[in-house]
Amino acid sequence: QKEVEQDPGPLSVPEGAIVSLNCTYSNSAFQYFMWYRQYSRKGPELLMYTYSSGNKEDGRFTAQVDKSSKYISLFIRDSQPSDSATYLCAMSAAGAGGTSYGKLTFGQGTILTVHP
Amino acid sequence: ETGVTQTPRHLVMGMTNKKSLKCEQHLGHNAMYWYKQSAKKPLELMFVYNFKEQTENNSVPSRFSPECPNSSHLFLHLHTLQPEDSALYLCASSQASQSGNTIYFGEGSWLTVV
Repeated sequence: QKEVEQDPGPLSVPEGAIVSLNCTYSNSAFQYFMWYRQYSRKGPELLMYTYSSGNKEDGRFTAQVDKSSKYISLFIRDSQPSDSATYLCAMSAAGAGGTSYGKLTFGQGTILTVHP
Repeated sequence: ETGVTQTPRHLVMGMTNKKSLKCEQHLGHNAMYWYKQSAKKPLELMFVYNFKEQTENNSVPSRFSPECPNSSHLFLHLHTLQPEDSALYLCASSQASQSGNTIYFGEGSWLTVV
């Protein structure tokens, strides 16, 4: 069983739709949760970062973490063609002393296309 | 402009060649990483350097040799690679002294082994 499961899609939605992207995980030690967006032939860019359970909103993007279910989500409201990209979830456990060194575990990524 | 710069962006090399990938971060971070991204597979952590010291080698074959001369620069030396090593190699950096794991990636170096 993979530590992080993410449906690779592809997911195709019309412009203006609400998009829901999800990941499940098996390691209960994960406490830090991130979403990265990766455009074609580019490096991943950090989109959202959350710690532990709860919601975080940034513009059209909302990240949700449910640690009891080991489930995280990213919602995109009023989706735009410029949102077309691969979305990667990533997570990690805290290291010794509360610090850690970028040992992220990634999902496979979901390919999203928003068509006009 | 990204805070993490990688060169070259594209590289084609034969299996007997020796080449190097270079990474430079302009973010003042003290930790740097190499990740490998292959088609239809999750990103794989290869190496971690914290304050120039290698703290992680994720069972990477010896044909990949990292070098971190200072906290701003990271190299990946390549020799006698195999075609299955063709992938996107991503450099990243973070501030390792903080809680959490906000890491920032470069644009990547596309490697093709022929």
